[in-house]
Amino acid sequence: AQRVTQPEKLLSVFKGAPVELKCNYSYSGSPELFWYVQYSRQRLQLLLRHISRESIKGFTADLNKGETSFHLKKPFAQEEDSAMYYCALSPQGSEKLVFGKGTKLTVNP
Amino acid sequence: DTGVSQNPRHKITKRGQNVTFRCDPISEHNRLYWYRQTLGQGPEFLTYFQNEAQLEKSRLLSDRFSAERPKGSFSTLEIQRTEQGDSAMYLCASSSTDGSQPQHFGDGTRLSIL
Repeated sequence: AQRVTQPEKLLSVFKGAPVELKCNYSYSGSPELFWYVQYSRQRLQLLLRHISRESIKGFTADLNKGETSFHLKKPFAQEEDSAMYYCALSPQGSEKLVFGKGTKLTVNP
Repeated sequence: DTGVSQNPRHKITKRGQNVTFRCDPISEHNRLYWYRQTLGQGPEFLTYFQNEAQLEKSRLLSDRFSAERPKGSFSTLEIQRTEQGDSAMYLCASSSTDGSQPQHFGDGTRLSIL
């Protein structure tokens, strides 16, 4: 079975501090990994996907197949980064997304 | 294009009643997905369509749930004989076939069962 675990329900940092949101997955094949973000009163939207290897809004995420992790990082958090972050995987041969429970990030001034 | 559109935004109904939600995907997207999200959880996959064909269904989609996409454009999700446990946010998403575009989500329909 596929599973995505986000161990931190809540994460609070100060503006300018580094931030890391953890994501571990359980899947026997080679999944596609995503980070989705939901800002207050907005719809769920894609932040980044591992195959793009992009940096979006200063965030990066590296897929570590050995540790089955896809942690999201940003060196200097901004107040506008405060949001709900969801890690998700898409299994091989399937179009569905399997989401974690999410981490609520609060960046304090 | 305003993105994925879902109606209604909120639905309150009594237990045992039937409800139907509608999703209009982004016009050029031929894949359409339904998810359910309860409090404190991430979205859970229910089903997906490619054009009018329903290609994948979750075990979460009980016999009381039925989804259709008759002309490959908008989709409806119907829940019959609603139960308290059906209270949730129902999210719709769409994407293109070529995989270059991620799933784009709508604002969802919040269902409350009295």
